[in-house]
Amino acid sequence: DIQMTQSPSTLSASVGDRVTITCRASQSVSSRLAWYQQKPGKAPKLLIYKASTLESGVPSRFSGSGSGTEFTLTISSLQPDDFATYYCQQYNSYWTFGQGTKVEIK
Amino acid sequence: EVQLLESGGGLVQPGGSLRLSCAASGFTFSSYAMSWVRQAPGKGLEWVSAITGSGGGTYYADSVKGRFTVSRDNSKNTLYLQMNSLRAEDTAVYYCANVASTVTTSSWFDPWGQGTLVTVSS
Repeated sequence: DIQMTQSPSTLSASVGDRVTITCRASQSVSSRLAWYQQKPGKAPKLLIYKASTLESGVPSRFSGSGSGTEFTLTISSLQPDDFATYYCQQYNSYWTFGQGTKVEIK
Repeated sequence: EVQLLESGGGLVQPGGSLRLSCAASGFTFSSYAMSWVRQAPGKGLEWVSAITGSGGGTYYADSVKGRFTVSRDNSKNTLYLQMNSLRAEDTAVYYCANVASTVTTSSWFDPWGQGTLVTVSS
């Protein structure tokens, strides 16, 4: 089974900060990686797929990069609506999620 | 508009059974694989099961294999999850999600339903 490890688990940041979340896979998943945003009591929302393709309607301050085993999600300028938990997901071999990164207000 | 609406959650005793449903609309249901994902209270997302568009292929996480059965009725645009031998650790919000590609099951999930809560407790 492919394991996904996100870091950090919690991130404290201010509005306007540049934020980077890292996701590492236990073996190569090529570019078969997605990122989701989840707010309390809500379903996850797709942000990025194929490691770097922005889902339609998602603000351009979100970007993804990486391939193989190491991936990053970057928010270029954190906005109030971005305080949430973020999950990576590999879909190269079945599906596995990272444990999540909570972005909270500093 | 694509919509997924789960139902069937509730309180069940350990060892009991429950069947979840996910009603789909707004897309050609039979063309897409579908999946179930769960989230225990205060925890992260865990993939549970998936089924191909035709229903001919099914996939399960080790944690539910042999206890849960995924199925679909394409004439009713509905996905199901039959859950047997339920345990306290199965307590979670269960989401259904569309596997986004019509070509391969190796794809991301989009969209997701709003979820239904299953509580396993005596």
